[in-house]
Amino acid sequence: NAGVTQTPKFQVLKTGQSMTLQCAQDMNHEYMSWYRQDPGMGLRLIHYSVGAGITDQGEVPNGYNVSRSTTEDFPLRLLSAAPSQTSVYFCASSSRQAAFFGQGTRLTVV
Amino acid sequence: AQTVTQSQPEMSVQEAETVTLSCTYDTSESDYYLFWYKQPPSRQMILVIRQEAYKQQNATENRFSVNFQKAAKSFSLKISDSQLGDAAMYFCAYRSWGAGGSQGNLIFGKGTKLSVKP
Repeated sequence: NAGVTQTPKFQVLKTGQSMTLQCAQDMNHEYMSWYRQDPGMGLRLIHYSVGAGITDQGEVPNGYNVSRSTTEDFPLRLLSAAPSQTSVYFCASSSRQAAFFGQGTRLTVV
Repeated sequence: AQTVTQSQPEMSVQEAETVTLSCTYDTSESDYYLFWYKQPPSRQMILVIRQEAYKQQNATENRFSVNFQKAAKSFSLKISDSQLGDAAMYFCAYRSWGAGGSQGNLIFGKGTKLSVKP
């Protein structure tokens, strides 16, 4: 019973490099989202999706892209990493009653 | 816009004692959910308790209970018989679920770091 699977757990990037954070859920939820967590800031919404083929921006979308080709998968892409994107990233999959989170990715951009 | 405020950045409690974490929110919606999430040092986000706004009865999950005051827009978490394993960051979160996809987004407070003293 996997729930939300998020990879990788840790990543170090050089400024300007690109990468994709993977997120998959097996709960058949339509709603998925990406958050970043910074000290003293709580979790802030980056992008979200209400179903396959539908995505929209959250509070802090700059520097990130998403796509939703299937119900199960919702990857987050950093096209050109910047030190300001050093953070912990969480993917979430939601029903009406609750959101379920992946294990998080600690990303460091040097 | 909806906001969630946790006014206590840090709290401390003695093992076996009771502690209450505060949360207030602001919304004009009538149909919404409130959550408390626990984040231990492992970084995992764990759902502790959930409250539906239309339910007047306060939610309870074992040693965890809430005091939901809808008119005052207050949603505090009470932890009874505190245990060492309760030490974590606790986040209060709000979400409506009406028409329109953006209303499904979680809005988080900035968190309260709870320490438990043996």
